[in-house]
This record gives sequence, structure tokens and C-alpha cells, in this order.
Amino acid sequence: GQQLNQSPQSMFIQEGEDVSMNCTSSSIFNTWLWYKQDPGEGPVLLIALYKAGELTSNGRLTAQFGITRKDSFLNISASIPSDVGIYFCAGVDDKIIFGKGTRLHILP
Amino acid sequence: GAGVSQTPSNKVTEKGKYVELRCDPISGHTALYWYRQSLGQGPEFLIYFQGTGAADDSGLPNDRFFAVRPEGSVSTLKIQRTERGDSAMYLCASSLAGPTGELFFGEGSRLTVL
Repeated sequence: GQQLNQSPQSMFIQEGEDVSMNCTSSSIFNTWLWYKQDPGEGPVLLIALYKAGELTSNGRLTAQFGITRKDSFLNISASIPSDVGIYFCAGVDDKIIFGKGTRLHILP
Repeated sequence: GAGVSQTPSNKVTEKGKYVELRCDPISGHTALYWYRQSLGQGPEFLIYFQGTGAADDSGLPNDRFFAVRPEGSVSTLKIQRTERGDSAMYLCASSLAGPTGELFFGEGSRLTVL
């Protein structure tokens, strides 16, 4: 079946650093979605990408839909403590498939 | 409220018992999804409703799992003869139109089977 590979699995960074994570697939997707999940809560949509090559920003977050339609990346600039959490990519075809997540930790 | 509502938030049951988990989607959202999330994993697709009908139930792991959405709004996920391996967070999401629509998730129902 379709699988999404997210990397890195975990990140430990200092507050203020920029963050980059990506998601790759063996299959083509028509839409890429990026979500953030805090402990004990459901995932919350951050950014949606609908077109190959599209670059979209939401505040300090920027995401791109890869030209091949098999990958996407998410960047976070100038990280702050509330950025801590798990970031999931999701590919949309006839169903919506999630990656395993990138866990972001911010060192004190 | 305006968001997706799931009840119960926590359910502890014994192996072999029957469990129902309820999802109340955002008003006007025609698509409703159930996902299962185990610790350290991403949400795993179970079933997707468009209106009252199950458009895709290919993610249901076996015939102990069943879901309904009789009036095209509230949905119930039913698990028969629960097993310890069924312990997980069960997430419900809705979208205005799907599956290309953006999903809005509830806070989940955490099921623990002892």
C-alpha cells in the first residue's frame, strides 16, 4: 500500500533555530497536507498544498509541494517553545494517508 | 461547539467486551473519517463516509470493526469482542468535501483494553 516516509523522526534544536523536515512517497499525490499534533489532542492543519511546485507560507511556516508530486517539505523559521510537538505530512489521493511524524523538541 | 466532538474521551474496557465510540462532525461537513493512532505512529486510515454511505472501508482491520453514519452527521465506530491490540487513540475527522478536502480532527477517544 501507499506509504509516506518522514524525516527526520526526531529533532532536538535550540530556540530560535530554523527547522526543516520532509516527506517522501513512492506514489503520486494530488494534495499534500501538513499537520501538528500536541500531546492528548488531535492533529491540527497547518498548511495545504494543491499544486506541484506550489510554495505556501503560514506565518513562520513554509511548505512546498514537490515537482514530482512524490514529496513535500516543511520549514519553520525562528522556532519558539510552542512549536514543540509532532508534525505529520499527509498525502491525498482517493484517501488521505499520514506519515509517522517528525517529533520536534526544543532544548532549554 | 464549532469543532469535531468525540465521546468518550477515554474508555477502559475488558478484553472481549463491546465498545462504541461516537463522533459529531462539524456542521455541514459531508465527509467523515475514522483513523486509529497507536503510540509513536501516525494516524492510520480506517473508514471514510461521504454522507450516509461508507465510501471506503478498506482500512477496517477485520470484521470486529464496524462504523455507521445513519443520518449523514453523527457517526459511531463499533468494536466487537475487543482485544488488547485494539488499544489506541481513535481519531475522527470531518471535511467540507472529501477526500480532497482539508481534514479537521477531534481530540480523539483513547481506548484501553485490559
